[in-house]
Amino acid sequence: TQLLEQSPQFLSIQEGENLTVYCNSSSVFSSLQWYRQEPGEGPVLLVTVVTGGEVKKLKRLTFQFGDARKDSSLHITAAQPGDTGLYLCAGPNRDDKIIFGKGTRLHILP
Amino acid sequence: GAGVSQSPSNKVTEKGKDVELRCDPISGHTALYWYRQSLGQGLEFLIYFQGNSAPDKSGLPSDRFSAERTGGSVSTLTIQRTQQEDSAVYLCASSPSDPEFRPQHFGDGTRLSIL
Repeated sequence: TQLLEQSPQFLSIQEGENLTVYCNSSSVFSSLQWYRQEPGEGPVLLVTVVTGGEVKKLKRLTFQFGDARKDSSLHITAAQPGDTGLYLCAGPNRDDKIIFGKGTRLHILP
Repeated sequence: GAGVSQSPSNKVTEKGKDVELRCDPISGHTALYWYRQSLGQGLEFLIYFQGNSAPDKSGLPSDRFSAERTGGSVSTLTIQRTQQEDSAVYLCASSPSDPEFRPQHFGDGTRLSIL
């Protein structure tokens, strides 16, 4: 069974600090997606990474796909309270069904 | 354009009643997923429809749960004889048929409370 494990499960840091959250698997994924979910809303897609070693930037967010396409990381520079939310990684399994990790719940303290 | 629409946005019902939750996906999206999310938790997969293929029901927690997708568009999730542990937010997502990317577009969910 392909699984996506996210760490840490919870993270609370001060505004202005940098942070990295991780999405790991023992299986190869053809692509991985990152979503952010804010309270009362559904998750919203942030980025899709496809190529091993790929790095994508979205303002202060940097996403990296591992060379072996088994893991991904999300780095946030100078975190702001608006970054607070649940960050989910997801990818298609061998049956082409999208599976999700359990998420990292991020809280940025003003 | 219109996104994924779910109704009702909130539902409060008594234990033992049946409930129907509706999802209107984005037009043209061939894949449709239902998830359940308990307070402070991640997404629990329930069921997956892809085109005309038989749905993947492997995530349904019991035979009280069922879902259908009519005409490859609108989907309803039905919970019979509701229990208090069914209280959660039920999220629907649709995605296009692109085999490589398949980004999921989520509705805002139905918050179900069983009294």
